[in-house]
Amino acid sequence: QQQVRQSPQSLTVWEGGTTVLTCSYEDSTFNYFPWYQQFPGEGPALLISILSVSDKKEDGRFTTFFNKREKKLSLHIIDSQPGDSATYFCAAENTNTGKLTFGDGTVLTVKP
Amino acid sequence: EAAVTQSPRNKVAVTGGKVTLSCNQTNNHNNMYWYRQDTGHGLRLIHYSYGAGSTEKGDIPDGYKASRPSQENFSLILELATPSQTSVYFCASGERGRGAETLYFGSGTRLTVL
Repeated sequence: QQQVRQSPQSLTVWEGGTTVLTCSYEDSTFNYFPWYQQFPGEGPALLISILSVSDKKEDGRFTTFFNKREKKLSLHIIDSQPGDSATYFCAAENTNTGKLTFGDGTVLTVKP
Repeated sequence: EAAVTQSPRNKVAVTGGKVTLSCNQTNNHNNMYWYRQDTGHGLRLIHYSYGAGSTEKGDIPDGYKASRPSQENFSLILELATPSQTSVYFCASGERGRGAETLYFGSGTRLTVL
């Protein structure tokens, strides 16, 4: 069963544009939501994360938003750069088990 | 700097053969994980460990065994490899802080079972 749904599967934006990736979940026990970035040939690496007690977390050009009522989160990348081209995974951690569930990922391509 | 090293980087195996994927971490993290990554399925948890001597089943453990002989090493074992196990496998170590865990991934092992 898919507990974390991520969209879109792939996305192409122009350099300088804004990228928006979204995720939704169903399990109310999820309390921590990290985003991982993966470049080709490498393992994923933590990009930014948010706890369920917050609704926004910003780190440079990257901002993640969390809507507890709608059970949705999003990742916004402003001034997108070709170097941002990668696969992005949202994930959710279960409060009770500590286990992390990943979405299927979004392949982002930023064209110069 | 945190380091998780996987070996081999690439492996070709025959159906029915035994395959061992190795992972070493120098982070001194208690938690270690094995995931597989397939197109359209993201990262799926196979086995994990809370420390030396412990292994736990993840979400898709069938056909896999794990071994954690020490804090640093965590292996994934396919006793009878099948073509459906062709995938990219990632090992990770985990560090929990402020109530949330950060995973540090290795570079992956691409396994092809013929």
